[in-house]
Amino acid sequence: DSGVTQTPKHLITATGQRVTLRCSPRSGDLSVYWYQQSLDQGLQFLIQYYNGEERAKGNILERFSAQQFPDLHSELNLSSLELGDSALYFCASSVGPMYEQYFGPGTRLTVT
Amino acid sequence: AQKVTQAQTEISVVEKEDVTLDCVYETRDTTYYLFWYKQPPSGELVFLIRRNSFDEQNEISGRYSWNFQKSTSSFNFTITASQVVDSAVYFCALSEADNAGNMLTFGGGTRLMVKP
Repeated sequence: DSGVTQTPKHLITATGQRVTLRCSPRSGDLSVYWYQQSLDQGLQFLIQYYNGEERAKGNILERFSAQQFPDLHSELNLSSLELGDSALYFCASSVGPMYEQYFGPGTRLTVT
Repeated sequence: AQKVTQAQTEISVVEKEDVTLDCVYETRDTTYYLFWYKQPPSGELVFLIRRNSFDEQNEISGRYSWNFQKSTSSFNFTITASQVVDSAVYFCALSEADNAGNMLTFGGGTRLMVKP
């Protein structure tokens, strides 16, 4: 158990819908990262927050947004969902920059 | 731009064999970090090792060992006396210190199948 929690574990929704994925980092970790894992794209970095501030952005679509709250938990919002958004979404946390990232169990999103 | 290549997409071995997973990386930074993660069939990503670019010493942890060679931009992972429980997808990843964030760039992964 990495200490990073993610909810829900599975999510099935229809095209055009909006969903929110939640992540709680390990106790003491200030950095939160979101990654997407799909068969065709592999593991890709989406976005990072550090102590509530956005730190870096990867190949995150404009339909996707995230935030980190004062208690350090984070949410990833996915809107206007398309079939191609079906993937495993991971949250990771670390104590700070350049330290190892510990991953949550992931949320498997299926868009039908 | 940073890039990680794991040329072996799938490896199959018989239990007790030694196996080496290759990882080649590209970066323009002089300060960077390399990682290995394991993704068992259950799906979670498990951290195995982190190595910075200034430390080329090989590392051994039980049956696992890592060989870092800056001259060939490689960070290979060897499992000695493999076991069925080692069956998983293994990812090599790179993080550059000069990035505003320290996101991980992953290789495509190597699926290791250990047969009894």
